[in-house]
Amino acid sequence: GAVVSQHPSWVICKSGTSVKIECRSLDFQATTMFWYRQFPKQSLMLMATSNEGSKATYEQGVEKDKFLINHASLTLSTLTVTSAHPEDSSFYICSATDPGQGRQTEAFFGQGTRLTVV
Amino acid sequence: AQSVTQLDSQVPVFEEAPVELRCNYSSSVSVYLFWYVQYPNQGLQLLLKYLSGSTLVKGINGFEAEFNKSQTSFHLRKPSVHISDTAEYFCAVSEQGGSEKLVFGKGTKLTVNP
Repeated sequence: GAVVSQHPSWVICKSGTSVKIECRSLDFQATTMFWYRQFPKQSLMLMATSNEGSKATYEQGVEKDKFLINHASLTLSTLTVTSAHPEDSSFYICSATDPGQGRQTEAFFGQGTRLTVV
Repeated sequence: AQSVTQLDSQVPVFEEAPVELRCNYSSSVSVYLFWYVQYPNQGLQLLLKYLSGSTLVKGINGFEAEFNKSQTSFHLRKPSVHISDTAEYFCAVSEQGGSEKLVFGKGTKLTVNP
């Protein structure tokens, strides 16, 4: 199946700093990627839809100025958590679909990034 | 808008026993249905999906699920579980013809005991 790679797998940062998380589609081009957030022992909540070459679409309640999304190429989307605080500590997961193989209805997920803000 | 309800937050079973993880959904439009598995500190892996056609779908690792439109359910089953099946299982839906974003249930933690 298609491969989505997320980096880093874990990061610890100081409160007030910014952290960038990368999501790459390794063997297909993804015009759309999705960013989810998962709190401990809870489900995944969609944060935003990342569209290549245009602005991301954020879900209600997600601060677009805090969670900056850039989808500059067909294989890379980045999520930057700006001025991180301890409450931003969470597991962030990206996903993408592969329209080129007729698998538009199947999402492929990255490995996730565990962010800890101290 | 869609919503997904996974009725059991935790399901403990013994090895080689059958298991069923329940999932119900609500939607005003037609949806696709998915089951994903998540191992600790990892992303999600697709177990199986229902797009159309036969209501009984078979997935990886011996899992299967049956789509029941009248009951708006998509329960996941396995006739004989292994220790390695211990993980978190998520049911999800996406809108047919929509943006492909997924709405997830809260997950069911399956624990297989020896």
